[in-house]
Amino acid sequence: DIQMTQSPSSLSASVGDRVTITCRASQGLSNNLAWYQRKPGKVPKLLIYATSTLQSGVPSRFSGSGSGTDFTLTISSLQPEDVATYFCQKYNSAPWTFGQGTKVEIK
Amino acid sequence: EVQLVESGGGLVQPGGSLRLSCAASGFTVTSNYMSWVRQAPGKGLEWVSVIYSGGSTFYADSVKGRFTISRDNSKNTLNLQMNSLRVEDTAVYYCATERPLGYWGQGTLVTVSS
Repeated sequence: DIQMTQSPSSLSASVGDRVTITCRASQGLSNNLAWYQRKPGKVPKLLIYATSTLQSGVPSRFSGSGSGTDFTLTISSLQPEDVATYFCQKYNSAPWTFGQGTKVEIK
Repeated sequence: EVQLVESGGGLVQPGGSLRLSCAASGFTVTSNYMSWVRQAPGKGLEWVSVIYSGGSTFYADSVKGRFTISRDNSKNTLNLQMNSLRVEDTAVYYCATERPLGYWGQGTLVTVSS
């Protein structure tokens, strides 16, 4: 099975900073990679699918990129409401494995 | 509007069984991918199982042979039969639909403890 390795596990940044989270697959995924945001006490929310397509209603400061085995979620200007844990997920074929998560905090 | 409502969680002893259900509205469960995802206390998201619209089923290695995913078309529900439960199965279980997971229920807590 393909393993998903996400980094860093946590980060602290200032409001307005550019934040980058990476997700590495042990084998190629084509573009079947999604990103989710999990705020405390809330249900996970799909942010990006097909590597770079923004889900409806997601702010444009979020973007995704990558191909093959290396993928990136970028927040161009971190906002206080972005405090959350972010997960990548492969869904090209089962198992639809998640990355371990990246906890984003405000410095 | 798509809605998913899980039920069936609770406290069960190790080795016991539990059946989770997820009532869907706004769409038919046979028309889309239906999944179960769990989150153990202090841990990340763990994908558990999926049933494709065509009926194919897949499981995480951690639950294979113990959990069974199914659909009840007459009730428009997704089910998860969980047998031989272990302490490490303790988690909030979410049902979700689409590929990837665009809609999620609120979750139901399963606690496996003696």
